[in-house]
Amino acid sequence: AQSVTQLDSHVSVSEGTPVLLRCNYSSSYSPSLFWYVQHPNKGLQLLLKYTSAATLVKGINGFEAEFKKSETSFHLTKPSAHMSDAAEYFCVVSDEGDFQKLVFGTGTRLLVSP
Amino acid sequence: DAGITQSPRHKVTETGTPVTLRCHQTENHRYMYWYRQDPGHGLRLIHYSYGVKDTDKGEVSDGYSVSRSKTEDFLLTLESATSSQTSVYFCAISEGYNYGYTFGSGTRLTVV
Repeated sequence: AQSVTQLDSHVSVSEGTPVLLRCNYSSSYSPSLFWYVQHPNKGLQLLLKYTSAATLVKGINGFEAEFKKSETSFHLTKPSAHMSDAAEYFCVVSDEGDFQKLVFGTGTRLLVSP
Repeated sequence: DAGITQSPRHKVTETGTPVTLRCHQTENHRYMYWYRQDPGHGLRLIHYSYGVKDTDKGEVSDGYSVSRSKTEDFLLTLESATSSQTSVYFCAISEGYNYGYTFGSGTRLTVV
């Protein structure tokens, strides 16, 4: 069975500094991996997805993530944080052989200070 | 969110009463899912459907049932609501592997 571990429950950065949100996964098949963002009292928005094409995936709002099979990692990065990036971020895995069910990490809350 | 609607958006109900949440899609996607979101747990899968009348349990299915009589509607029923079922419920739809998932706006359910 697949699983996801988000290594930090909270990350604090200053505006204009880089963002790194860490995610490790476990999967028996060839996984699809996603990052979703949830702003307070809002629904979930897809940031980016990896589906066995290029290992470096670019998403919306300047975010990107790199799939590293040897490290079973899929960390999310952004070169320069903006105040509007403050939200909760979820790393998600889906297996081809399991009715495409999504398995969510427990989330990382990103705090951005001026 | 475009193509997927959840109703109601908010509901307060009493312990022991049945509650039904509705997810409606206009995308004709095969797969539909119900998740619940609780602090510290992320989203956890309750039930899912891979076609009309084809459903199965997720990791937190106890106390919940679902039905899908039409492609566009996926109903989640709390048979006898308990306070532990106070949560935010999200519906999602998908065309399948490698495709994105679209989430509804959520239903905030409070059981008192």
